[in-house]
Amino acid sequence: NAGVTQTPKFQVLKTGQSMTLQCAQDMNHNSMYWYRQDPGMGLRLIYYSASEGTTDKGEVPNGYNVSRLNKREFSLRLESAAPSQTSVYFCASRGDLTVHPKNTEAFFGQGTRLTVV
Amino acid sequence: DAKTTQPTSMDCAEGRAANLPCNHSTISGNEYVYWYRQIHSQGPQYIIHGLKNNETNEMASLIITEDRKSSTLILPHATLRDTAVYYCIVASGTYKYIFGTGTRLKVLA
Repeated sequence: NAGVTQTPKFQVLKTGQSMTLQCAQDMNHNSMYWYRQDPGMGLRLIYYSASEGTTDKGEVPNGYNVSRLNKREFSLRLESAAPSQTSVYFCASRGDLTVHPKNTEAFFGQGTRLTVV
Repeated sequence: DAKTTQPTSMDCAEGRAANLPCNHSTISGNEYVYWYRQIHSQGPQYIIHGLKNNETNEMASLIITEDRKSSTLILPHATLRDTAVYYCIVASGTYKYIFGTGTRLKVLA
C-alpha cells in the first residue's frame, strides 16, 4: 500500500524555470492538498482540492497553479520559479467526513525538496 | 476554520507523560480536533482526533474540555523517539486543513 507518492524527491531549478510536482494517492480519497514548509517553520497550505475537478486557494497560492487530473492525482506547477519558492513541498490526501468521521486523518507524502538558485 | 494556539516548545523527561496543550476557543460545533507530529523533515504523521469525547489509541490520548475550547494530547510514557513538532488542527468537512506553528517537544534522557 503506497499511500501518497510524490515525485521528484529533490529538484534544483534556476530562477525563471518552470516545473511540475507530481502527487498520487491510492486510498480513494476525495480531498488532496499541497503545502510548503520553509526551514524552521510550520506547514502552509498552498492549494487544495475537495474533489476531482475542483481546486481552491489556500494560505499562500501566489506563484503556483494546480491541476486535479483525476481522483488519484494532484499536481503543483511553478510557472516561473523564484528563490522565495525554495522550500520543502508536501502533498497530502484525506478521507471525507461525510463518508466516515473516523477515517478523516490526512496522509502525507515524503516531500519534495526544491531549491531555486 | 478555527485557529489554534500552542506553546512554542516543551521539554519532557523520558518515561514521563508528555502533556501538550492546544487552545481552540473559536471552534464550532462540527469541527474535529486533530493531532499530528513531524519528526525531522518527514511528512507529518497522524496521531489521533476527536469531536467532543476523550479518545485513546495505541499512540496517545486526547482530552477535550467540556466546552471544547481547548484540548490536551497526552503521550503516556515519552521516549526519545517522541521528540518532534506536534501540531493541533481544528477542521470540519470544509476541506481546508490549516496547520499552525506547532509545539516542539524535546524528550530528555
